[in-house]
Amino acid sequence: AQSVTQPDIHITVSEGASLELRCNYSYGATPYLFWYVQSPGQGLQLLLKYFSGDTLVQGIKGFEAEFKRSQSSFNLRKPSVHWSDAAEYFCAVGALYSSASKIIFGSGTRLSIRP
Amino acid sequence: DAGVTQSPTHLIKTRGQQVTLRCSPKSGHDTVSWYQQALGQGPQFIFQYYEEEERQRGNFPDRFSGHQFPNYSSELNVNALLLGDSALYLCASSGGLAGVHEQYFGPGTRLTVT
Repeated sequence: AQSVTQPDIHITVSEGASLELRCNYSYGATPYLFWYVQSPGQGLQLLLKYFSGDTLVQGIKGFEAEFKRSQSSFNLRKPSVHWSDAAEYFCAVGALYSSASKIIFGSGTRLSIRP
Repeated sequence: DAGVTQSPTHLIKTRGQQVTLRCSPKSGHDTVSWYQQALGQGPQFIFQYYEEEERQRGNFPDRFSGHQFPNYSSELNVNALLLGDSALYLCASSGGLAGVHEQYFGPGTRLTVT
């Protein structure tokens, strides 16, 4: 069955430090992979997505993610975080069926920024 | 170009009541999916509608039902509300059943069951 695991529930980093959020997925075929961000009380904003091609994907707000098929991972990175990056981050995989599709989300990683 | 819109923004209901949430897809999109996000968790897929039919369903009881109208807008109905139904309900739209890579999310409806 398809699934997404985000092993870190909560991460705190200092402003200006680098960031890496981990994500592992389980999917039988080549996956569609996503990272979303959610600020408190808000909806989901798409940061970046991977379907095929270059395994290093650039997104909005200076984020990037790298798809590693051998490790079933799609980790999110940012070289220097800003206080405004504090939010909940969700990794997700898109599942396609013969007559439908859906997105399967991880449980999220809460990012706090230390001044 | 309006994105995905949902109404109402917030809703408070009592256990046992019924609720209807509404979603208008992004212009040009014909497929609507609904997700439930409980506090502190990731969104969980409820179901997907295309051509006015339910095409895929997640692990949710029959108390959760939906409808899609000819203009592609959609409703989510929940009967016999339980305290555990309190959550943020997200609607997402896409172009076609295989449009998962272009699924846009609305701002959500916050449902509180007391």
